[in-house]
Amino acid sequence: QKEVEQDPGPLSVPEGAIVSLNCTYSNSAFQYFMWYRQYSRKGPELLMYTYSSGNKEDGRFTAQVDKSSKYISLFIRDSQPSDSATYLCAMSRGGATNKLIFGTGTLLAVQP
Amino acid sequence: EADIYQTPRYLVIGTGKKITLECSQTMGHDKMYWYQQDPGMELHLIHYSYGVNSTEKGDLSSESTVSRIRTEHFPLTLESARPSHTSQYLCASSFGDRGRETQYFGPGTRLLVL
Repeated sequence: QKEVEQDPGPLSVPEGAIVSLNCTYSNSAFQYFMWYRQYSRKGPELLMYTYSSGNKEDGRFTAQVDKSSKYISLFIRDSQPSDSATYLCAMSRGGATNKLIFGTGTLLAVQP
Repeated sequence: EADIYQTPRYLVIGTGKKITLECSQTMGHDKMYWYQQDPGMELHLIHYSYGVNSTEKGDLSSESTVSRIRTEHFPLTLESARPSHTSQYLCASSFGDRGRETQYFGPGTRLLVL
């Protein structure tokens, strides 16, 4: 069983829609949670970084972490065609090694 | 914005050739990483380094090797390329203390071994 599960999609939404992307995980030791965005033929870029449970908002993006359910979410409000990309969740236990464990990514297409 | 560079961006090479994928960062980050990414699959860590002369193998077994002679440079070498090495290779670097850090990625090298 994978430590991090993420629906690969693809997810297609109309412009302006609210998008919800999710990951579940099995290791309760994870403390740091990240969302990366990866455009085609590019490297991942960090979107959101959250420590432990709670919400974090940055512009149109909101990250939520529910450690009791081992579930994290990324919400995108007023989605734009430029948001079309693969979204990767990642998490780590922290500590000296801080290895990131990634989900497989969800491919999102925002239709104009 | 992160400044991390990878060359070449694309490489097509024949079986048995020796190749080196270059990765450089100008941010002074101590930690650097190499990941392998295949379509529809998660990123897998193949090598990492916490500083000069420090290298470790990652979670995914790889026939590649790495070196870290300078802080800013973390090249990956395949002594004898095979078709099974065909993949995208991503380099990353990070700063920060004990998990309160984020990894910044380069644009990747797409390798095709014929």
